[in-house]
Amino acid sequence: AQTVTQSQPEMSVQEAETVTLSCTYDTSESDYYLFWYKQPPSRQMILVIRQEAYKQQNATENRFSVNFQKAAKSFSLKISDSQLGDAAMYFCAYRSRDYGQNFVFGPGTRLSVLP
Amino acid sequence: DVKVTQSSRYLVKRTGEKVFLECVQDMDHENMFWYRQDPGLGLRLIYFSYDVKMKEKGDIPEGYSVSREKKERFSLILESASTNQTSMYLCASSLETAFSGANVLTFGAGSRLTVL
Repeated sequence: AQTVTQSQPEMSVQEAETVTLSCTYDTSESDYYLFWYKQPPSRQMILVIRQEAYKQQNATENRFSVNFQKAAKSFSLKISDSQLGDAAMYFCAYRSRDYGQNFVFGPGTRLSVLP
Repeated sequence: DVKVTQSSRYLVKRTGEKVFLECVQDMDHENMFWYRQDPGLGLRLIYFSYDVKMKEKGDIPEGYSVSREKKERFSLILESASTNQTSMYLCASSLETAFSGANVLTFGAGSRLTVL
């Protein structure tokens, strides 16, 4: 079974600075998807960014980018120019490419943004 | 936009009560999921369904059951609520097709259940 680990329960960053959230996963599969989800306080979980394992290029969405290291099974999220609205729980998730598969989530990292 | 709607945002129930949590999605997604979210544990899958009347147990199905009679609706049932089922429950859905690329979960707002 796949597992996802986020070793930083809490992180903080100064507004306008850059922060990197770590995620590692364990799998024997070669093709899969990885995701970062954001859950703001008392608000809905939303997708931040996704990566397909067969693509070597790291995904980027505006201020959010990932560092995908397939051999190391590492999938970190970098937030540039941090904003107060980035404060949230961030969850790393894994999904097999096979039909009907579950999404496996890490325990989450709580990010605080300091003004 | 895809919408996943959970019927109750907050519920308070007594031990032993039967509890229904309803979830409806409006984008014809094949897959629907029920997760439980607890601090420090992330999201743990209770049940998921990849088709009408189909269901699969997740990591923590004990004490729960589900029903999917229509494609758009996925219900979570606590037959006899217990205090250790006090938690946030998240419903989600996703499209399932070989051509969809990375299937993405769309979440509801969550249902916070307190069992006294």
